[in-house]
Amino acid sequence: AQSVTQLDSQVPVFEEAPVELRCNYSSSVSVYLFWYVQYPNQGLQLLLKYLSGSTLVKGINGFEAEFNKSQTSFHLRKPSVHISDTAEYFCAVSDKGGTALIFGKGTTLSVSS
Amino acid sequence: EAGVVQSPRYKIIEKKQPVAFWCNPISGHNTLYWYLQNLGQGPELLIRYENEEAVDDSQLPKDRFSAERLKGVDSTLKIQPAELGDSAVYLCASSLQGASTDTQYFGPGTRLTVL
Repeated sequence: AQSVTQLDSQVPVFEEAPVELRCNYSSSVSVYLFWYVQYPNQGLQLLLKYLSGSTLVKGINGFEAEFNKSQTSFHLRKPSVHISDTAEYFCAVSDKGGTALIFGKGTTLSVSS
Repeated sequence: EAGVVQSPRYKIIEKKQPVAFWCNPISGHNTLYWYLQNLGQGPELLIRYENEEAVDDSQLPKDRFSAERLKGVDSTLKIQPAELGDSAVYLCASSLQGASTDTQYFGPGTRLTVL
């Protein structure tokens, strides 16, 4: 069975600092990986996804993530965060045979000035 | 283009009462999902529809939960009777074909409070 572990429940950072949100997954088959963002009182919005090919994936709002198969990780990064990046971030996994997304518990990113 | 629409946005009921949530997916999206999001947790799938057929309802508590998507477009999720533990956010999502590579587009959710 697949599972997703988001290693940090909360990440506080100052504006313009770099940030990394960590995600590890477990699966016995090839996977597809996703990062979603949830702003307060809004639905989840896709930031980026890894399906195949280049292990470095670029997404919206300046975010990028790197797929590392040997470490079963898919960490999300941004070189310089803004106040507006304050939100909940979810890592999710699906596999070729599945149809449901399996989500992690989320990481709360709090950006302060 | 309109996104996934859900109503109501908030609902407060007393335990043992029935409640229903409505979802209208993005036009042209064949696949519709209902997720449950408990406080401090990620969404968990309740049921997935391909057109009007429920193709994965293994996580739906069928003793009190029911869902329908009669014409393969909008959908209703019902709880009867509601319990205190049902307090959560109910999210609806849709995707074009339901492939595991497809992006799922989420609505804003319905926040249910059971007193």
